[in-house]
Amino acid sequence: GENVEQHPSTLSVQEGDSAVIKCTYSDSASNYFPWYKQELGKRPQLIIDIRSNVGEKKDQRIAVTLNKTAKHFSLHITETQPEDSAVYFCAAFGRRDDKIIFGKGTRLHILP
Amino acid sequence: SAVISQKPSRDICQRGTSLTIQCQVDSQVTMMFWYRQQPGQSLTLIATANQGSEATYESGFVIDKFPISRPNLTFSTLTVSNMSPEDSSIYLCSVEGASRDHEQYFGPGTRLTVT
Repeated sequence: GENVEQHPSTLSVQEGDSAVIKCTYSDSASNYFPWYKQELGKRPQLIIDIRSNVGEKKDQRIAVTLNKTAKHFSLHITETQPEDSAVYFCAAFGRRDDKIIFGKGTRLHILP
Repeated sequence: SAVISQKPSRDICQRGTSLTIQCQVDSQVTMMFWYRQQPGQSLTLIATANQGSEATYESGFVIDKFPISRPNLTFSTLTVSNMSPEDSSIYLCSVEGASRDHEQYFGPGTRLTVT
């Protein structure tokens, strides 16, 4: 079945700098890749997603890129702000498993 | 996206007892899911609950331990049976979005502590 690896597990970034979180997946048939942000004590929130027919998607300070050949996708946050501090989960919809598989998460700290 | 609520938001239970968690959605949805999130960990799918059929359980989760009901398109329950301290976790329901194209939205979660 699908396997999603996420790196790094922890990331500290100076406020105003950019943050990049990377994920790889194993199922070449996977076609949907969401990213969730989970603040402490809150529910995971879908912040951006990308489908396999698109290479890049942007929403304000957040962008996601997808490389189907290499089977990896990344989340880019520019001009980071204190409210970006959270745990971020990547995920992939495994068509063979017919379900979403989550990465282990990245704890992002924005330093003042 | 749909508005999803869960009850209770948290509970402390004694081992050997059972707790039923409710998930209510403000619109009709076909696919509902139950996840477990242990402290500091990722999200693990327990089962998929579709209205009018038996829930589909993931490997490592069984119906006797986690019975699920899905009586209509806006409501589902998850029961954690015969609890032990290892069941202490956050339990989240999620629903597939209106476009029914795999995006999922999560409820606020139920924080369960078993003593």
